Amino acid sequence: EAQVTQNPRYLITVTGKKLTVTCSQNMNHEYMSWYRQDPGLGLRQIYYSMNVEVTDKGDVPEGYKVSRKEKRNFPLILESPSPNQTSLYFCASSLGAGPHYEQYFGPGTRLTVT
Amino acid sequence: AQTVTQSQPEMSVQEAETVTLSCTYDTSENNYYLFWYKQPPSRQMILVIRQEAYKQQNATENRFSVNFQKAAKSFSLKISDSQLGDTAMYFCAFSPPSGAGSYQLTFGKGTKLSVIP
Repeated sequence: EAQVTQNPRYLITVTGKKLTVTCSQNMNHEYMSWYRQDPGLGLRQIYYSMNVEVTDKGDVPEGYKVSRKEKRNFPLILESPSPNQTSLYFCASSLGAGPHYEQYFGPGTRLTVT
Repeated sequence: AQTVTQSQPEMSVQEAETVTLSCTYDTSENNYYLFWYKQPPSRQMILVIRQEAYKQQNATENRFSVNFQKAAKSFSLKISDSQLGDTAMYFCAFSPPSGAGSYQLTFGKGTKLSVIP
Protein backbone atom coordinates (compact mmCIF):
# COMPACT_ATOMS: atom_id res chain seq x y z
CA GLU A 1 0.00 0.00 0.00
CA ALA A 2 1.34 3.41 -1.00
CA GLN A 3 1.73 5.49 2.09
CA VAL A 4 3.67 7.94 4.19
CA THR A 5 4.44 6.70 7.68
CA GLN A 6 5.52 8.67 10.70
CA ASN A 7 6.83 7.51 14.05
CA PRO A 8 6.03 8.00 16.78
CA ARG A 9 2.38 9.02 16.49
CA TYR A 10 2.41 10.50 19.97
CA LEU A 11 5.33 11.76 22.01
CA ILE A 12 5.60 13.54 25.33
CA THR A 13 9.06 14.78 26.21
CA VAL A 14 10.84 17.32 28.35
CA THR A 15 12.58 20.53 27.42
CA GLY A 16 16.04 20.01 26.02
CA LYS A 17 15.88 16.28 25.37
CA LYS A 18 16.83 15.63 21.75
CA LEU A 19 14.28 13.75 19.69
CA THR A 20 13.74 12.55 16.16
CA VAL A 21 10.46 12.04 14.35
CA THR A 22 10.86 9.66 11.46
CA CYS A 23 9.10 9.90 8.11
CA SER A 24 9.20 7.28 5.41
CA GLN A 25 7.44 6.92 2.07
CA ASN A 26 7.27 3.90 -0.21
CA MET A 27 6.26 5.66 -3.42
CA ASN A 28 9.72 6.65 -4.69
CA HIS A 29 8.78 10.30 -4.28
CA GLU A 30 11.43 12.92 -4.82
CA TYR A 31 9.85 15.75 -2.85
CA MET A 32 9.28 15.57 0.90
CA SER A 33 8.41 18.19 3.46
CA TRP A 34 7.51 18.77 7.10
CA TYR A 35 4.66 20.90 8.38
CA ARG A 36 3.48 21.83 11.83
CA GLN A 37 -0.16 22.45 12.60
CA ASP A 38 -1.23 24.73 15.42
CA PRO A 39 -4.76 25.78 16.39
CA GLY A 40 -5.82 28.92 14.58
CA LEU A 41 -2.70 28.93 12.42
CA GLY A 42 -3.28 26.17 9.89
CA LEU A 43 -0.28 24.26 8.58
CA ARG A 44 3.10 25.90 8.18
CA GLN A 45 6.04 24.42 6.38
CA ILE A 46 9.18 23.73 8.42
CA TYR A 47 11.61 22.22 5.90
CA TYR A 48 11.44 20.59 2.52
CA SER A 49 13.64 18.41 0.37
CA MET A 50 13.70 18.34 -3.40
CA ASN A 51 15.77 15.15 -3.52
CA VAL A 52 18.48 13.21 -1.70
CA GLU A 53 20.94 15.56 0.02
CA VAL A 54 18.91 18.60 -1.06
CA THR A 55 17.03 20.33 1.75
CA ASP A 56 15.91 23.88 2.41
CA LYS A 57 14.06 25.95 4.96
CA GLY A 58 10.35 26.58 4.90
CA ASP A 59 8.50 29.26 6.81
CA VAL A 60 9.27 28.17 10.38
CA PRO A 61 12.63 26.31 10.47
CA GLU A 62 13.98 27.65 13.77
CA GLY A 63 14.69 24.89 16.27
CA TYR A 64 14.50 22.08 13.71
CA LYS A 65 16.91 20.09 11.59
CA VAL A 66 16.34 17.62 8.80
CA SER A 67 18.38 15.25 6.69
CA ARG A 68 17.75 13.36 3.45
CA LYS A 69 20.32 10.64 3.11
CA GLU A 70 17.95 8.23 1.42
CA LYS A 71 15.12 8.98 -0.94
CA ARG A 72 12.48 7.28 1.20
CA ASN A 73 13.34 8.83 4.57
CA PHE A 74 13.15 12.40 5.82
CA PRO A 75 13.56 12.60 9.60
CA LEU A 76 12.78 15.72 11.60
CA ILE A 77 15.21 16.42 14.41
CA LEU A 78 14.64 18.63 17.42
CA GLU A 79 18.05 19.09 19.03
CA SER A 80 16.75 20.90 22.10
CA PRO A 81 12.96 20.91 22.16
CA SER A 82 11.11 23.72 23.84
CA PRO A 83 7.45 24.04 24.89
CA ASN A 84 6.67 26.27 21.89
CA GLN A 85 7.39 23.28 19.69
CA THR A 86 4.41 21.48 21.13
CA SER A 87 2.38 20.87 18.00
CA LEU A 88 0.96 18.40 15.51
CA TYR A 89 3.54 17.52 12.87
CA PHE A 90 2.90 16.23 9.37
CA CYS A 91 5.28 14.80 6.85
CA ALA A 92 4.25 14.94 3.20
CA SER A 93 5.68 13.64 -0.04
CA SER A 94 5.00 13.98 -3.75
CA LEU A 95 6.43 12.58 -6.93
CA GLY A 96 7.90 15.93 -7.82
CA ALA A 97 8.08 19.49 -6.60
CA GLY A 98 5.12 21.36 -7.94
CA PRO A 99 1.36 21.67 -7.72
CA HIS A 100 0.84 19.19 -10.54
CA TYR A 101 1.84 16.50 -8.09
CA GLU A 102 -0.51 15.54 -5.30
CA GLN A 103 1.04 15.71 -1.86
CA TYR A 104 0.49 12.66 0.29
CA PHE A 105 0.43 13.32 4.00
CA GLY A 106 1.45 11.07 6.83
CA PRO A 107 -0.89 10.42 9.78
CA GLY A 108 0.65 13.11 11.97
CA THR A 109 2.74 13.10 15.13
CA ARG A 110 1.38 14.79 18.24
CA LEU A 111 4.34 16.21 20.17
CA THR A 112 4.11 17.66 23.66
CA VAL A 113 7.14 19.32 25.21
CA THR A 114 6.88 20.03 28.94
CA ALA B 1 4.22 36.52 0.08
CA GLN B 2 0.92 34.80 -0.42
CA THR B 3 -1.77 34.76 2.22
CA VAL B 4 -4.85 32.58 2.49
CA THR B 5 -7.83 33.64 4.58
CA GLN B 6 -10.68 31.48 5.78
CA SER B 7 -13.10 33.75 7.56
CA GLN B 8 -15.38 31.06 8.99
CA PRO B 9 -13.72 29.25 11.91
CA GLU B 10 -16.72 26.96 12.37
CA MET B 11 -19.80 26.02 10.39
CA SER B 12 -22.57 23.48 10.66
CA VAL B 13 -24.98 21.98 8.17
CA GLN B 14 -27.87 19.57 8.30
CA GLU B 15 -27.32 16.20 6.72
CA ALA B 16 -28.32 16.19 3.01
CA GLU B 17 -28.17 19.98 2.82
CA THR B 18 -25.64 22.10 0.91
CA VAL B 19 -22.93 24.20 2.53
CA THR B 20 -20.35 26.63 1.17
CA LEU B 21 -16.99 27.30 2.78
CA SER B 22 -15.26 30.52 1.84
CA CYS B 23 -11.63 31.22 1.10
CA THR B 24 -9.87 34.32 -0.15
CA TYR B 25 -6.23 34.72 -1.00
CA ASP B 26 -3.77 37.36 -1.90
CA THR B 27 -1.05 36.98 -4.50
CA SER B 28 0.73 38.88 -7.22
CA GLU B 29 1.14 35.72 -9.28
CA ASN B 30 -0.97 35.28 -12.38
CA ASN B 31 -0.72 31.53 -12.60
CA TYR B 32 -1.12 29.42 -9.50
CA TYR B 33 -3.03 26.54 -7.98
CA LEU B 34 -5.63 26.35 -5.25
CA PHE B 35 -6.62 23.38 -3.15
CA TRP B 36 -9.10 22.27 -0.56
CA TYR B 37 -7.92 19.70 1.96
CA LYS B 38 -10.07 17.80 4.41
CA GLN B 39 -8.86 16.74 7.83
CA PRO B 40 -11.33 14.40 9.59
CA PRO B 41 -11.00 13.53 13.28
CA SER B 42 -8.47 10.86 12.28
CA ARG B 43 -6.15 13.84 11.49
CA GLN B 44 -5.30 12.48 8.05
CA MET B 45 -4.98 15.23 5.45
CA ILE B 46 -6.93 14.37 2.32
CA LEU B 47 -6.95 16.32 -0.93
CA VAL B 48 -10.53 17.16 -1.84
CA ILE B 49 -10.22 19.25 -4.97
CA ARG B 50 -7.70 21.27 -6.96
CA GLN B 51 -8.12 24.29 -9.25
CA GLU B 52 -5.61 25.70 -11.70
CA ALA B 53 -5.87 29.46 -12.00
CA TYR B 54 -5.56 29.54 -15.77
CA LYS B 55 -8.58 27.28 -16.13
CA GLN B 56 -11.82 29.21 -16.12
CA GLN B 57 -13.96 26.17 -15.57
CA ASN B 58 -14.66 25.43 -11.93
CA ALA B 59 -13.35 22.10 -10.69
CA THR B 60 -15.82 19.43 -9.56
CA GLU B 61 -15.31 16.14 -7.72
CA ASN B 62 -18.56 14.29 -7.09
CA ARG B 63 -20.41 16.24 -4.36
CA PHE B 64 -17.62 18.80 -4.06
CA SER B 65 -17.32 21.79 -6.34
CA VAL B 66 -15.61 25.14 -6.23
CA ASN B 67 -16.55 28.65 -7.19
CA PHE B 68 -13.32 30.21 -8.39
CA GLN B 69 -13.44 33.97 -8.90
CA LYS B 70 -9.96 34.98 -10.04
CA ALA B 71 -10.54 38.73 -10.14
CA ALA B 72 -11.97 38.68 -6.64
CA LYS B 73 -9.31 36.20 -5.46
CA SER B 74 -11.99 34.01 -4.03
CA PHE B 75 -12.11 30.21 -3.94
CA SER B 76 -15.13 28.77 -2.14
CA LEU B 77 -15.95 25.10 -1.67
CA LYS B 78 -19.51 23.84 -2.04
CA ILE B 79 -20.48 20.52 -0.53
CA SER B 80 -23.78 19.17 -1.81
CA ASP B 81 -25.88 16.50 -0.12
CA SER B 82 -23.78 16.74 3.04
CA GLN B 83 -22.99 13.45 4.75
CA LEU B 84 -21.95 12.70 8.30
CA GLY B 85 -18.54 11.67 6.98
CA ASP B 86 -18.00 15.21 5.75
CA THR B 87 -17.53 16.35 9.33
CA ALA B 88 -13.95 17.60 9.37
CA MET B 89 -11.64 20.55 9.36
CA TYR B 90 -11.29 21.99 5.87
CA PHE B 91 -8.20 23.87 4.76
CA CYS B 92 -7.84 26.07 1.73
CA ALA B 93 -4.32 26.15 0.30
CA PHE B 94 -2.40 28.10 -2.32
CA SER B 95 0.54 27.00 -4.44
CA PRO B 96 2.69 28.98 -6.83
CA PRO B 97 3.35 27.41 -10.22
CA SER B 98 6.13 24.86 -10.48
CA GLY B 99 9.53 26.25 -11.26
CA ALA B 100 8.94 29.32 -9.13
CA GLY B 101 11.76 28.47 -6.73
CA SER B 102 10.79 26.60 -3.61
CA TYR B 103 7.56 24.74 -3.79
CA GLN B 104 5.30 25.01 -0.80
CA LEU B 105 1.64 25.10 0.03
CA THR B 106 0.36 28.09 1.98
CA PHE B 107 -2.59 27.06 4.11
CA GLY B 108 -5.47 29.00 5.59
CA LYS B 109 -6.35 28.59 9.25
CA GLY B 110 -9.14 26.16 8.54
CA THR B 111 -12.91 25.89 8.89
CA LYS B 112 -14.36 23.28 11.20
CA LEU B 113 -17.46 21.79 9.58
CA SER B 114 -19.98 19.77 11.54
CA VAL B 115 -22.69 17.81 9.74
CA ILE B 116 -25.73 17.39 11.96
CA PRO B 117 -27.92 14.31 11.60
